[in-house]
Amino acid sequence: DTEVTQTPKHLVMGMTNKKSLKCEQHMGHRAMYWYKQKAKKPPELMFVYSYEKLSINESVPSRFSPECPNSSLLNLHLHALQPEDSALYLCASSQDWVGSTGELFFGEGSRLTVL
Amino acid sequence: AQKITQTQPGMFVQEKEAVTLDCTYDTSDQSYGLFWYKQPSSGEMIFLIYQGSYDEQNATEGRYSLNFQKARKSANLVISASQLGDSAMYFCAMREGQGWSGGSNYKLTFGKGTLLTVNP
Repeated sequence: DTEVTQTPKHLVMGMTNKKSLKCEQHMGHRAMYWYKQKAKKPPELMFVYSYEKLSINESVPSRFSPECPNSSLLNLHLHALQPEDSALYLCASSQDWVGSTGELFFGEGSRLTVL
Repeated sequence: AQKITQTQPGMFVQEKEAVTLDCTYDTSDQSYGLFWYKQPSSGEMIFLIYQGSYDEQNATEGRYSLNFQKARKSANLVISASQLGDSAMYFCAMREGQGWSGGSNYKLTFGKGTLLTVNP
């Protein structure tokens, strides 16, 4: 079983809806990530949080709004999405200390469909 | 230019045989890490194996081994005794740099993946 838990596993939303994806880990990792993955493509980095502060934003449109309320939780707030935003959204976490390998632990993903 | 190249979009292997998935990388950093992940149709990305650029020995994890050829900048994954459950997409990835000062040190660059099918 994965140690990174994502909810919901599936989400269908209209273009005017507001929804959120949630991610939780209890491994003590201080770096957390959101990736977007389209079918048959590699994951694309969206955001990185380090010690609850946004470290990387890969020029993601503002209709995606990340939030890290504490060291165990990561949210992705969704508003006014487009059909092309339909994808698998993967959350990941990693250790954050010099000498660590940087291995990412991924959740099972939230499969989003925008109608 | 691609930093991670996986030249095999799809591979087929018979159950119980070994298979090699190719990965080449491009970096000017002296310190970097190479990873292989498995992604079944369910979607979860499963970490398989890691090789650091300064590691002198090839990494091994159970049936997985990484054939690391630094001069050729290749990091091929070898799966021995394939099982039906090995059928999945496999991604090679690289982390450049070392240390956790933020920024690009957190970024994994993924290859396009190889879809492995194990036949009974």
